[in-house]
Amino acid sequence: DGGITQSPKYLFRKEGQNVTLSCEQNLNHDAMYWYRQDPGQGLRLIYYSQIVNDFQKGDIAEGYSVSREKKESFPLTVTSAQKNPTAFYLCASSMTGQSYEQYFGPGTRLTVT
Amino acid sequence: GESVGLHLPTLSVQEGDNSIINCAYSNSASDYFIWYKQESGKGPQFIIDIRSNMDKRQGQRVTVLLNKTVKHLSLQIAATQPGDSAVYFCAELGGGADGLTFGKGTHLIIQP
Repeated sequence: DGGITQSPKYLFRKEGQNVTLSCEQNLNHDAMYWYRQDPGQGLRLIYYSQIVNDFQKGDIAEGYSVSREKKESFPLTVTSAQKNPTAFYLCASSMTGQSYEQYFGPGTRLTVT
Repeated sequence: GESVGLHLPTLSVQEGDNSIINCAYSNSASDYFIWYKQESGKGPQFIIDIRSNMDKRQGQRVTVLLNKTVKHLSLQIAATQPGDSAVYFCAELGGGADGLTFGKGTHLIIQP
């Protein structure tokens, strides 16, 4: 089956710890994205990558980091510098960086206490 | 900054009725629009898209209308079913960004 997987579905961390969220796709898409969704809110773009070994900051990149060492994988690290890390995190991919549908993973709900 | 938004946060309709969900956008340079459906605790799912050179596109039970004059986008769902209950987002692409800009969403509630 082709698609995007995110793991784990639920993640709990103590404040001050870094945590890495996994995102893998087997759709052979070049572009990948990370969004954050807060309750009752739309999606906000954290980081995106159009090609391996390259990525750009989105609207709310502060406190987050990413890597794109493989086409299939785009992990997101939520660092201790992120002041309000508790949220629902969504990963997406698309055929190119523009003008194509983005396919979303099932999301990871991160709770930091 | 430019943004995409929705007129109503919640829409309640009777099962079997048609639903219309609206979206206003402000970036006149946007050339591609998508409607997504998001069920609780899940990622958004693509419903239908439309490019700026079109004003209407139909899918299965859904129709998207684009009015570029007033920068308005709507999603029509025919014969609404209980499974249509979800939050619906419009998203736009264009104007220099390399990601979609999403509206806040409309929660569609289906009354039996």
